[in-house]
Amino acid sequence: QSALTQPASVSGSPGQSITISCTGTSSDVGGYNYVSWYQQHPGKAPKLMIYDVTSRPSGVSNRFSGSKSGNRASLTISGLQAEDEADYYCSSYTSRSTPHVVFGGGTKLTVL
Amino acid sequence: QVQLVESGGGVVQPGRSLRLSCAASGFTFSSYAIHWVRQAPGKGLEWVAVISYDGSSKDNADSVKGRFTISRDNSKNTLYLQMNSLRADDTAVYYCARDVGCCYAPGGYIDYWGQGTLVTVSS
Repeated sequence: QSALTQPASVSGSPGQSITISCTGTSSDVGGYNYVSWYQQHPGKAPKLMIYDVTSRPSGVSNRFSGSKSGNRASLTISGLQAEDEADYYCSSYTSRSTPHVVFGGGTKLTVL
Repeated sequence: QVQLVESGGGVVQPGRSLRLSCAASGFTFSSYAIHWVRQAPGKGLEWVAVISYDGSSKDNADSVKGRFTISRDNSKNTLYLQMNSLRADDTAVYYCARDVGCCYAPGGYIDYWGQGTLVTVSS
């Protein structure tokens, strides 16, 4: 069982927007602005999409945005494209001594 | 560009040992903390271990504590994971992943990942 809770799957049509949620506790998501999001295509390594809740690394499309409210963080993808179909994982710093990094269980995004 | 290349995976019997390596290039390896993260087939990501930039501080997940040891050789730009007493539930793709900082402090996060190496524990 993952430390952070994500929906198993979401879907949307090209051009639409979707949001993936990530629920934690006050010891991780709710207590710090240190939430990251990763995109993983099948058979590939994860890729950083969002860090520090809302920041995008250089080269990541501005169609990807992050937010947080309380113990829940969210990743929104606007203007869905076929290439966005992938698994998405949230991650957070945790004040627990171990693990030092906690992940969500992952969300499979299907572009219809 | 940042590159992390894992090696050493394979098929191993339960109870045996295996050592994974991760060769780094494209950045100053000795300045960054590095993690091992694994992914069982069809499952999510699980943090395994981390080591600080100079190797002076390290930690493991409870699931591998006492069995796995993380280490690094900054002169060779290489990270290691010594895995002993392997079990079937250790079967996974193992990724090495760079922390954005030196010391896995609050505010750190993983910014680059290797392609992973598959470890299969089976008799």
